Amino acid sequence: EAGVVQSPRYKIIEKKQPVAFWCNPISGHNTLYWYRQNLGQGPELLIRYENEEAVDDSQLPKDRFSAERLKGVDSTLKIQPAELGDSAVYLCASSLPGSTDTQYFGPGTRLTVL
Amino acid sequence: QQQVKQSPQSLIVQKGGISIINCAYENTAFDYFPWYQQFPGKGPALLIAIRPDVSEKKEGRFTISFNKSAKQFSLHIMDSQPGDSATYFCAAKARGSRLTFGEGTQLTVNP
Repeated sequence: EAGVVQSPRYKIIEKKQPVAFWCNPISGHNTLYWYRQNLGQGPELLIRYENEEAVDDSQLPKDRFSAERLKGVDSTLKIQPAELGDSAVYLCASSLPGSTDTQYFGPGTRLTVL
Repeated sequence: QQQVKQSPQSLIVQKGGISIINCAYENTAFDYFPWYQQFPGKGPALLIAIRPDVSEKKEGRFTISFNKSAKQFSLHIMDSQPGDSATYFCAAKARGSRLTFGEGTQLTVNP
């Protein structure tokens, strides 16, 4: 069974540029999460989707970050414009319906903002 | 707000030794305590988890010890191997809420 797929794996951009990350969750997992992991720290939740609905986006900086999960499967996280402090690893995770305790993480996208 | 405090930040153990990582939490509503293992360039992977109705859970060489009254839990890795070298994160979660991670422990197991 394929795990959570993320692309790109690495991205280097200049500040003020836009950037987008893509995630394909494990088949059948209706809950999808986006986390940000700063260097030397644990992941922090940005947004959680139940199917197409964002049910927890309280930690998403909405002035520059946006996310969507059309059709309740793949998801895209966008930053526009990027700032130096956005450099981090962006992780996508998914879980089975009714089993949000057990989350499966993708390999992440390492973003460097210059 | 740092709700889960993890220590030590880094740990060096000889092959065959016991690795011990500790975590403390504040929120008494937490009812799920997982440990994740993360290798460089990879996402965190669930290693073992415990709920507060038991004080210990063992899976192979990995054991979680849980002390509800002290609001502490720890990961013990028996017979540590070089392949165990990774970053370990404790986490905690209340029903319906988000996972809160500790800051991580970088474990190095020397051959």
